[in-house]
Amino acid sequence: DVKVTQSSRYLVKRTGEKVFLECVQDMDHENMFWYRQDPGLGLRLIYFSYDVKMKEKGDIPEGYSVSREKKERFSLILESASTNQTSMYLCASSLDRVNTGELFFGEGSRLTVL
Amino acid sequence: GDSVTQMEGPVTLSEEAFLTINCTYTATGYPSLFWYVQYPGEGLQLLLKATKADDKGSNKGFEATYRKETTSFHLEKGSVQVSDSAVYFCALGYMDSNYQLIWGAGTKLIIKP
Repeated sequence: DVKVTQSSRYLVKRTGEKVFLECVQDMDHENMFWYRQDPGLGLRLIYFSYDVKMKEKGDIPEGYSVSREKKERFSLILESASTNQTSMYLCASSLDRVNTGELFFGEGSRLTVL
Repeated sequence: GDSVTQMEGPVTLSEEAFLTINCTYTATGYPSLFWYVQYPGEGLQLLLKATKADDKGSNKGFEATYRKETTSFHLEKGSVQVSDSAVYFCALGYMDSNYQLIWGAGTKLIIKP
């Protein structure tokens, strides 16, 4: 089975801190995604990557950056955390360049910014 | 632009009841449609999908039919169990898109024994 592992389930940070969220997948998937999930808003795409060192902005990239130095790892970075970035962050991966729609998700990282 | 609208939750049912979770969409083209489920404490997982009009997706007793005439993809199950308690997300996507899915807001389902 595909496994997508997010490094931290729960984080509490202070405003202005730099935050790293790490995601690793073990099935050699090309595509990786970072979403945030907020009640009543569904999932919103922050960034995605279809290859090593490649990244594309999603719908809400402001305040975030990403890094993909290795195929299996996709990191989300909050350069200076703010309270409005308190959310659940979901990492996902998929196999093909053509989007079949089957995304494999990690369990999520719940970030609280005080 | 394209969008997905789901019925607001939570939806609360008794065990063995019939379930319908409504999903309607607006689309500029001919998307594929998906239902994902998020069980408590777990990541989202694909429940079922349909790639063209009149297709029916099914899995684990759940079904949804791609209705182009009503732009709907309602999720149904004949007899729900406590273990079906979860958040259900409807989504659409295009096979030749830049990988993005458009998501509904999610519907929380609570099944009481």
